[in-house]
Order: sequence, then structure tokens, then C-alpha cells
Amino acid sequence: GENVEQHPSTLSVQEGDSAVIKCTYSDSASNYFPWYKQELGKRPQLIIDIRSNVGEKKDQRIAVTLNKTAKHFSLHITETQPEDSAVYFCAARWGQLTFGSGTQLTVLP
Amino acid sequence: GAGVSQTPSNKVTEKGKYVELRCDPISGHTALYWYRQSLGQGPEFLIYFQGTGAADDSGLPNDRFFAVRPEGSVSTLKIQRTERGDSAVYLCASSYTAGTSGGLRETQYFGPGTRLLVL
Repeated sequence: GENVEQHPSTLSVQEGDSAVIKCTYSDSASNYFPWYKQELGKRPQLIIDIRSNVGEKKDQRIAVTLNKTAKHFSLHITETQPEDSAVYFCAARWGQLTFGSGTQLTVLP
Repeated sequence: GAGVSQTPSNKVTEKGKYVELRCDPISGHTALYWYRQSLGQGPEFLIYFQGTGAADDSGLPNDRFFAVRPEGSVSTLKIQRTERGDSAVYLCASSYTAGTSGGLRETQYFGPGTRLLVL
């Protein structure tokens, strides 16, 4: 089955700085890589996703890159704001989603 | 439109009891997924349905766990003889279709979860 590893587990940045979260996956058949944001006590919310035929995708301050050869993908958040503080999960898919263990992002004002 | 809903939002039960957790998917979504999320962890896949049938139940931890979706819409996750280790948030998600191409129609939308506490 698929195994997804996510780093770092916690990340603190100053408001306005960039944040990068990295994930690796094991199953080369995985073809879909979503990122979810989860605030305390709330449901996971999809913030961006990338499919295996694309190397990079950007949506305003958020971007995701995918390296299929190395089997890793990353989330980049620029110009961070306090409301970006949350737990971020990466996931990989071949059939059903396999999630990473999460990154607690704290944006310090 | 309405998102995925789950009831109850919280459930406290005693060890050994039986519980049912309900999920209402987004209208028109044929695929429905159950995940379990323990504190500080990512969601862990349990089972998914395509229509009324369980397409993959490989994530169910043991035979105390069972799920149904008799009419292809609402689903119920059933846990028999609950144990303290079953305490977690049970999340439901739905997508328009299920498949392996990673297309837009396969994007999963999550419900708010049911927080289960087994005493």
C-alpha cells in the first residue's frame, strides 16, 4: 500500500514570510496529491491539489510542486498571514487517500 | 449547496456498547468514504462505497466495524463492542465519482466528523 511521510511536524514563521511543507510517497502508481487545511475542531478543507501529469500548480499565495521521479511533493505558502495558522495534511492517492501525519503551522504576528 | 453532514457531532459511550454514526453526502455524489482520525494524526482510510456497494473495505480494523449504504446516499458506520481504543474522530467524505485518474470529479469533500469517546 501507499505510505506518505510529511515534514516538518511543526513550523513557525513570521507573518509575511514563506512556509514550505514537504511530503514523500512510496507508491509510484499514485497520481493525485491533494493538500488539506484543518483548523482546530473543524473538518479538513481542500486548499490545492495536483495531478501526476503536472509539475507545478499555483493558486494566489499557495503553490504545490511535484517531482514524480523522486516521489515527493511540496506545499509553498507565500506572504503568510495569521489566518494561515492550522494543521496542513498532504495526501496521495491510488484508490483512496493516504494522508501524511500533518504539519502544525503557526504564523506569528 | 449543502456540504457533507454527519450526526451525531459527539458521541460518548461505554466500553462494550454498540454505536452507529451517520453520514449524509453531498447530493449527487456517488462515492462515499469513511476515515478515522486520532489526535495529532492524519485521517486513516476505513472503507469506501461506490453507489450501494463497498468497493474497498481494506481499512476496517477488525470485524467489529461495519458500514452500509443501502440506497446509495446516506451511510451508517456501525461499531460493535466498542473499545477505548476506538475513541477518535470519524470523518466522512464524498466525491462525485470514485476512480483512480485523480480527475476533478474525484475530489473528496469532508464532513465535520463525529467525535467518539469510549469510556
